[in-house]
Amino acid sequence: DAGITQSPRYKITETGRQVTLMCHQTWSHSYMFWYRQDLGHGLRLIYYSAAADITDKGEVPDGYVVSRSKTENFPLTLESATRSQTSVYFCASQWGQGTNSPLHFGNGTRLTVT
Amino acid sequence: KQEVTQIPAALSVPEGENLVLNCSFTDSAIYNLQWFRQDPGKGLTSLLLIQSSQREQTSGRLNASLDKSSGRSTLYIAASQPGDSATYLCAVKVDGDDKIIFGKGTRLHILP
Repeated sequence: DAGITQSPRYKITETGRQVTLMCHQTWSHSYMFWYRQDLGHGLRLIYYSAAADITDKGEVPDGYVVSRSKTENFPLTLESATRSQTSVYFCASQWGQGTNSPLHFGNGTRLTVT
Repeated sequence: KQEVTQIPAALSVPEGENLVLNCSFTDSAIYNLQWFRQDPGKGLTSLLLIQSSQREQTSGRLNASLDKSSGRSTLYIAASQPGDSATYLCAVKVDGDDKIIFGKGTRLHILP
């Protein structure tokens, strides 16, 4: 089905482990975003990408790495997971800069770091 | 730095009532503003997008207004239904920037 999909849906990992969250969209949207959602903080932007091979930091990038070798994929890697990175992670995509197009979200990945 | 605030954090109203959700932002230099709905355990769904040059947008029972100069937007829901129960978030796209900044949302409960 067309849309934006995130995997896995749920993930439990241990402190210090590397974990990668996947995001795939089928619309060929230029822009992709990673947010984390925490009680009391709302949605905070981690990283975003304007196109393949172009990424930029958001509000809370520390401890995260992203790549975008293909337009449709935007994986988020936690290089050495910490308990403070326990959160729900949302990927989103948008058609392009300079257009008033809505943001489309995946269903999220609930990550628990023990 | 753009900040987006939504008050109240939670709201309960009886079914059938009309209601207004509020969103305020600190920097009036916005490109657009979006309203989203989030159901528990789900992602966000875009409801309405208002361009900076527009004053309002309507979709069915929903009407969103934008007053850039005062840094405010409202989402009006007419004839509320239990199915409208969800968290509603607003987000602004800053003019000249790619970032989209979210408020913390208003959790709405429609009482049957």
